[in-house]
Amino acid sequence: DTAVSQTPKYLVTQMGNDKSIKCEQNLGHDTMYWYKQDSKKFLKIMFSYNNKELIINETVPNRFSPKSPDKAHLNLHINSLELGDSAVYFCASSQDWSPPLHFGNGTRLTVT
Amino acid sequence: AQSVTQLGSHVSVSEGALVLLRCNYSSSVPPYLFWYVQYPNQGLQLLLKYTSAATLVKGINGFEAEFKKSETSFHLTKPSAHMSDAAEYFCAVSDPNNAGNMLTFGGGTRLMVKP
Repeated sequence: DTAVSQTPKYLVTQMGNDKSIKCEQNLGHDTMYWYKQDSKKFLKIMFSYNNKELIINETVPNRFSPKSPDKAHLNLHINSLELGDSAVYFCASSQDWSPPLHFGNGTRLTVT
Repeated sequence: AQSVTQLGSHVSVSEGALVLLRCNYSSSVPPYLFWYVQYPNQGLQLLLKYTSAATLVKGINGFEAEFKKSETSFHLTKPSAHMSDAAEYFCAVSDPNNAGNMLTFGGGTRLMVKP
């Protein structure tokens, strides 16, 4: 069974659209993360979240918002997509705010 | 503020040779340090971590890293490279006092293993 799963794997959309990426973990972890990896492989934290607190990287535009319907899911919503949003987005999980142990396989977002 | 520098975006070794991937960090507080590996088209996998206990840390797949405060380094080593070690490796740092465990990553080093 996949520990952290993301859907879709690929997402191609046009500028200005709103899209969501889903993430689910079946590890029973209470902390989840979203990371962005750009074309040069540079990784940046976007959000850290558990059932008590959301920590937002201040550099992330407010067009990005995480939504957690329950402890096992942390979805990423993106409004008004821009060309610069093209990247691979990774979801990850851990326990008790420890560093991420398990990553999903990523969602490659292409904005045209 | 914290930062991580990985010297060498590409490292090539022969199978069976020593692997040495370099990582230097900058941090105003005693940091936590990590190495992750990323195989093609996959997410990252934690190799090992330093959290202020033993300075020599052993990880999975035969990798280890040594925290050297005087050199602000956390280099990753493996005595004998295997073809399956070919991947992208990322060093990361975090401030244990900051909420959210927001890791700061280095730019990554691609390890290539020649037969």
